[in-house]
Amino acid sequence: GDSVTQMEGPVTLSEEAFLTINCTYTATGYPSLFWYVQYPGEGLQLLLKATKADDKGSNKGFEATYRKETTSFHLEKGSVQVSDSAVYFCALSSTNAGKSTFGDGTTLTVKP
Amino acid sequence: KAGVTQTPRYLIKTRGQQVTLSCSPISGHRSVSWYQQTPGQGLQFLFEYFSETQRNKGNFPGRFSGRQFSNSRSEMNVSTLELGDSALYLCASSLPLTSGGDEQYFGPGTRLTVT
Repeated sequence: GDSVTQMEGPVTLSEEAFLTINCTYTATGYPSLFWYVQYPGEGLQLLLKATKADDKGSNKGFEATYRKETTSFHLEKGSVQVSDSAVYFCALSSTNAGKSTFGDGTTLTVKP
Repeated sequence: KAGVTQTPRYLIKTRGQQVTLSCSPISGHRSVSWYQQTPGQGLQFLFEYFSETQRNKGNFPGRFSGRQFSNSRSEMNVSTLELGDSALYLCASSLPLTSGGDEQYFGPGTRLTVT
């Protein structure tokens, strides 16, 4: 079945540092890939998505590229801020719309 | 456009009781999914409803059930509560596409505590 493996956390960075959170996946067919973010006490919010190979999703300075050959969708940001502190989830959704498979989440803490 | 709403936000129940959680999707969204989030198991898919029919189901016991109404609102029911059912229950809605996967829009969740 489908699965998502995320880099284990927690990750602690200083403000303005470079962020990478690794994500690899296993899926049948050609899934869409997503990064969601969860702030304390809230539900998940879509951060970015990519629906086919070589697509790059981007939002709020975050980027991720759909790499079919390496089955990866790593999240990057050039300069993190304290406000980026949250839990980040990599996810995929195959042709069964409405069912997403999530990674375990990576907790990011950014210190001033 | 209003987001996904879930009620109640917090709930405390006793073992053996049952509970019903409610979810109202974004207007126009016809797919509603439910997830259980716990520190140990992460986000686990419970089930998905589309046009009042359960279309997908995760690996949860029959104590977990759901339904969807004609206005796309959904309810989730857990009977004979166990301590291990304590979790954040998240509802998500999406627009179904003809192919590929959809992004999902999540509600704030219902925090269920079983004592």
